[in-house]
Amino acid sequence: DGGITQSPKYLFRKEGQNVTLSCEQNLNHDAMYWYRQDPGQGLRLIYYSQIVNDFQKGDIAEGYSVSREKKESFPLTVTSAQKNPTAFYLCASSIAGALETQYFGPGTRLLVL
Amino acid sequence: ELKVEQNPLFLSMQEGKNYTIYCNYSTTSDRLYWYRQDPGKSLESLFVLLSNGAVKQEGRLMASLDTKARLSTLHITAAVHDLSATYFCAVVPGYALNFGKGTSLLVTP
Repeated sequence: DGGITQSPKYLFRKEGQNVTLSCEQNLNHDAMYWYRQDPGQGLRLIYYSQIVNDFQKGDIAEGYSVSREKKESFPLTVTSAQKNPTAFYLCASSIAGALETQYFGPGTRLLVL
Repeated sequence: ELKVEQNPLFLSMQEGKNYTIYCNYSTTSDRLYWYRQDPGKSLESLFVLLSNGAVKQEGRLMASLDTKARLSTLHITAAVHDLSATYFCAVVPGYALNFGKGTSLLVTP
């Protein structure tokens, strides 16, 4: 089955700790995205990548980092610089760029201990 | 600054009734998307509207787009409980989706 997987489903972060959220897709999509969702809010773009080895900051990139070494993988690291990381994180992919429909993974819920 | 505004943000309606959700956006966009999200779950693509006057229907949901007014509507016909969810509209002014805050719909008996 083709799709997008995210792991873990739940993640707990301690003060000062970096954590990494996994996103993998087997849809052969070129573009991948990370969004953050806070309760009662829409999604906000953190980072996006339109091709391997290239990525761009979104609207709320501070305190986050990404890499895109493989077409199918786009991991997101939440660094200790992100002071309010508690949120639902959604990864998405599209065939090529934002003008194509984005398909979303199941999400990772990050909580701070 | 781009704004995508949905209203209402919360909607409780009885089964069998009709209602419309509105999505206004403040800049030009090549297309408009509607997504559905069930509690604690991911987003599911419902519709993509590509041009002025576009109308798409799936079951009890019908979406339309007026690019001149920068307005999209999601009309619900004869609501059923299974339609209870949060509905998001999103536009594409540049490199990625810009979402509204969502409309939480609760359909009651």
